[in-house]
Amino acid sequence: GQQVMQIPQYQHVQEGEDFTTYCNSSTTLSNIQWYKQRPGGHPVFLIQLVKSGEVKKQKRLTFQFGEAKKNSSLHITATQTTDVGTYFCAGRMDNFNKFYFGSGTKLNVKP
Amino acid sequence: DAGITQSPRHKVTETGTPVTLRCHQTENHRYMYWYRQDPGHGLRLIHYSYGVKDTDKGEVSDGYSVSRSKTEDFLLTLESATSSQTSVYFCAISLDRGEQYFGPGTRLTVT
Repeated sequence: GQQVMQIPQYQHVQEGEDFTTYCNSSTTLSNIQWYKQRPGGHPVFLIQLVKSGEVKKQKRLTFQFGEAKKNSSLHITATQTTDVGTYFCAGRMDNFNKFYFGSGTKLNVKP
Repeated sequence: DAGITQSPRHKVTETGTPVTLRCHQTENHRYMYWYRQDPGHGLRLIHYSYGVKDTDKGEVSDGYSVSRSKTEDFLLTLESATSSQTSVYFCAISLDRGEQYFGPGTRLTVT
């Protein structure tokens, strides 16, 4: 079964509105990564979180890793049309080489 | 973009035929991964490699085999293609189980 759950599946926003996607794991994660995939493209790495409670920012993007290292979120402030795409989280469990991807949140931004 | 290529980029094949997809990297990264991407499922790991001749199974390995005889090449073989293996296949590489760089993808259709 899927190890990492991600919601929502789709999000339609007006340009300028905020956007958040959430990931939850049933087991503790060693780290979590976030990727963005533009339509027709390949996933592109955004960031990796490792520490419990970690918060990282990249311009309008804020990434959080939960205290229990079982959940994470990506928040975009004041979306722009360039933010359109699908956002994926990917979690790795301790002592494993493999990552489990969430099913992704597809973001559409209306100008 | 990282030096990672996939071939072929598109392939149509018939049910029951063997198919081999190639991933080639020029980055000398240790880890290589094969994922498939299907609507509603995100990216699912098929197999991965943590060194030459060192491979392990992912979530959806049935019907697939892999080989890595050189650091730069990771081959994915569908032993007898089925319609359920119609998908987009992505190869990814990483240096140290961290950030993953994805190739452009191979769109495979099994008729």
